[in-house]
Amino acid sequence: DQQVKQNSPSLSVQEGRISILNCDYTNSMFDYFLWYKKYPAEGPTFLISISSIKDKNEDGRFTVFLNKSAKHLSLHIVPSQPGDSAVYFCAASGNTDKLIFGTGTRLQVFP
Amino acid sequence: DTAVSQTPKYLVTQMGNDKSIKCEQNLGHDTMYWYKQDSKKFLKIMFSYNNKELIINETVPNRFSPKSPDKAHLNLHINSLELGDSAVYFCASRGDTYNEQFFGPGTRLTVL
Repeated sequence: DQQVKQNSPSLSVQEGRISILNCDYTNSMFDYFLWYKKYPAEGPTFLISISSIKDKNEDGRFTVFLNKSAKHLSLHIVPSQPGDSAVYFCAASGNTDKLIFGTGTRLQVFP
Repeated sequence: DTAVSQTPKYLVTQMGNDKSIKCEQNLGHDTMYWYKQDSKKFLKIMFSYNNKELIINETVPNRFSPKSPDKAHLNLHINSLELGDSAVYFCASRGDTYNEQFFGPGTRLTVL
């Protein structure tokens, strides 16, 4: 029973273009959502988060959008850079201390 | 000045052995976690501790025993290792005022 799903295992984008990573969740009790970036042989690094009282949060090149009615969030990276190539995990939390992670999307940004 | 550190980074051992993984954070956080990332890359919480007290135990076999000597350390001891324990184990910590967790670099455990 996977409560957080990232249906695209991989995404390839040209440098300078927009990368859009998607995430769906099933548990309506989730009220906080996060995106993590992970390079090989390293731990996940926190990127950006959003509370369920908002529908958008922006930090530099990264913007997270939340559509509560669709139980869907997305991460937009613009412009994409080669250094953005990594695995991106979305995660959600509710009224417990647990983070529930998706299975990740591997982003490759090519020149 | 590493925020969350784990040792060792790699651990190869035989089935049936007992091993420990250590985790330390210098962020002053009260809450620490252990996660397991399996072969399918699924990252799943195992335990969380708040100020040395166990908060979450996600139906992990009791061969796994976390120990928190102080709030900056959360070690993971595994008894009678099995092949299925092969995975990457991540330690993480969180402060009180926000939900973001900060992860260590991971320990890749291989059980032969």
